[in-house]
Amino acid sequence: GAVVSQHPSWVICKSGTSVKIECRSLDFQATTMFWYRQFPKQSLMLMATSNEGSKATYEQGVEKDKFLINHASLTLSTLTVTSAHPEDSSFYICSARRGFKNIQYFGAGTRLSVL
Amino acid sequence: AQTVTQSQPEMSVQEAETVTLSCTYDTSESDYYLFWYKQPPSRQMILVIRQEAYKQQNATENRFSVNFQKAAKSFSLKISDSQLGDAAMYFCACLNAGGTSYGKLTFGQGTILTVHP
Repeated sequence: GAVVSQHPSWVICKSGTSVKIECRSLDFQATTMFWYRQFPKQSLMLMATSNEGSKATYEQGVEKDKFLINHASLTLSTLTVTSAHPEDSSFYICSARRGFKNIQYFGAGTRLSVL
Repeated sequence: AQTVTQSQPEMSVQEAETVTLSCTYDTSESDYYLFWYKQPPSRQMILVIRQEAYKQQNATENRFSVNFQKAAKSFSLKISDSQLGDAAMYFCACLNAGGTSYGKLTFGQGTILTVHP
């Protein structure tokens, strides 16, 4: 159990376009999901906390207008990178928190390359 | 704010041997959880082990065990009988169970573990 699916796994887009990444909890309901960014051989940096039915909470320094987060159901959160530029190229990872044990289960990540 | 520090950027171990990865943390909360996650080359984050701060007993999961020293704010991971599949980047993480940062994971810098056959 506790499977989190993330799609797409890799996306290449042109500068100025928008990209949507989906994060789904397949076998449990997740009222809270998280979005992270990771640069090569570095740690995970929390971008935002996504709560079902309410606005996302962004970490300091993260542009909320560039990284739009929607958590419309108990099993789906989406991250849209708007007007992507080469500096947005990175590895994006989502996680979903399961129940009272406070364990986060992670998606496989999305590699975004902006040309 | 909470911080997690992993002072070993890289470690190596011979197959079947034992290795210990170090981690120290700092948090102002009294209720928190500690984790070790593994990230293999596939980059999929995998939960290795979890420790509740209020429990004195060290958590164990098969070949993986922790040495939790609450007063010293230390949380090391011991991998016994190392296998080639253990090669990965290991992250120590802390999660506050209260306060303004409730539910957020703070990760250490990571330790790259190499397993030699």
